[in-house]
Amino acid sequence: AQSVTQLGSHVSVSEGALVLLRCNYSSSVPPYLFWYVQYPNQGLQLLLKYTSAATLVKGINGFEAEFKKSETSFHLTKPSAHMSDAAEYFCAVSDRDDKIIFGKGTRLHILP
Amino acid sequence: GAVVSQHPSWVICKSGTSVKIECRSLDFQATTMFWYRQFPKQSLMLMATSNEGSKATYEQGVEKDKFLINHASLTLSTLTVTSAHPEDSSFYICSATVGRILDQPQHFGDGTRLSIL
Repeated sequence: AQSVTQLGSHVSVSEGALVLLRCNYSSSVPPYLFWYVQYPNQGLQLLLKYTSAATLVKGINGFEAEFKKSETSFHLTKPSAHMSDAAEYFCAVSDRDDKIIFGKGTRLHILP
Repeated sequence: GAVVSQHPSWVICKSGTSVKIECRSLDFQATTMFWYRQFPKQSLMLMATSNEGSKATYEQGVEKDKFLINHASLTLSTLTVTSAHPEDSSFYICSATVGRILDQPQHFGDGTRLSIL
């Protein structure tokens, strides 16, 4: 069975600092991996997706994630945090059965 | 870009009432729509997958008779929570896609917050 684990339900970083949100996955086949962002009382917006092409995936809003098979990880990073990045972030996995399994989410707080 | 509209955004009703939530794809024809439930501070749990013109496929543990899904057209799917009770209070989110979600983007609605008194 496929699953994702997000380490840290809350992460706080200072404005301008590096953002690192951790995600580890479990899948019996090469996975598709996703990062989504959710703002309060809204649906989800896709940040980026890994589909077995390049291991470093660039997404919207300056975010990127690196697929590391040896570590079964797909951590999300952004070099410099903005106040507008404060939101809930979800890592997700799919193993081609047309379903996406979401992690529990990490709430990112940006400190002024 | 593609827009999915979900209505209503917030509903409060008495226990025993049935509530209908609509999910519309505004500028594209969605072959598949998904319904999720999100509890506070938790992840999205897939409830069912809905394809136009066919019966919805429900996830294990989701009561089909409790959560009725109708997907009458390529632009509209509805979720009806029948005889709602306080434990049904949650944030319900729909999404829509054209083709397979691994190949095409999954567009999400803004969700419906359901509060049962």
